[in-house]
Amino acid sequence: EVQLLQSGGGLVQPGESLRLSCAASGFSFSTYAMNWVRQTPGMGLEWVSIVSSSGVSTSYADSVKGRFTISRDNSKNTLYLQMNSLRAEDTAVYYCAKDLSQGSGTYKMDYWGQGTLVTVSS
Amino acid sequence: AIQMTQSPSSFSAARGDRVTLTCRASQDVTSYLAWYQQKPGEAPKLLIYAASTLQSGVPSRFSGSGSGTNFTLSINCLQSEDFATYYCQQYYSYPPTFGQGTKVDIK
Repeated sequence: EVQLLQSGGGLVQPGESLRLSCAASGFSFSTYAMNWVRQTPGMGLEWVSIVSSSGVSTSYADSVKGRFTISRDNSKNTLYLQMNSLRAEDTAVYYCAKDLSQGSGTYKMDYWGQGTLVTVSS
Repeated sequence: AIQMTQSPSSFSAARGDRVTLTCRASQDVTSYLAWYQQKPGEAPKLLIYAASTLQSGVPSRFSGSGSGTNFTLSINCLQSEDFATYYCQQYYSYPPTFGQGTKVDIK
């Protein structure tokens, strides 16, 4: 059974940093691209970032480019999202999501983590 | 970015109904279109990709159609567990984008 277990959310002040983790099991983690998607009541679902199966290739939404870094440790079956210079508008529930396709990914997401709330507020 | 517009934003239906949800893209996305179902407090669940391909394990009462800019998700014989919010998503071009969702609730 595919499982994605997220951790690392919480309340931070504007300008601070936070790292999200997503521990994967039940599939060959190193074979699939992985995504981060966030959700807010106002903006709905917003794709944030993708990392290729090898970790070499990454892509980001313009709203987070230069502030967020996606990475993965295939030896630990874990995906990360390092979030720096956080802003109030980054407040959202963040989901990690497995890409349906192997390799570099195609942004189709077939399994999702349980979500973790990130709140940026002073 | 390609904008995805879903209609209606919400509506009520009864168990056993056949419902059709609509998604429109601001540009041609060919068949690079996925549908997700989300229930309160849960993560989205992939139902359909490539506009009409049913994801493994999804009941056959769900079906998708369309290409280009106009797409539909149909649910035959609505079941209790189908009352949820449905999102479309294009993955034709960067960045992938989602519609704002259609909430289906019980009449």
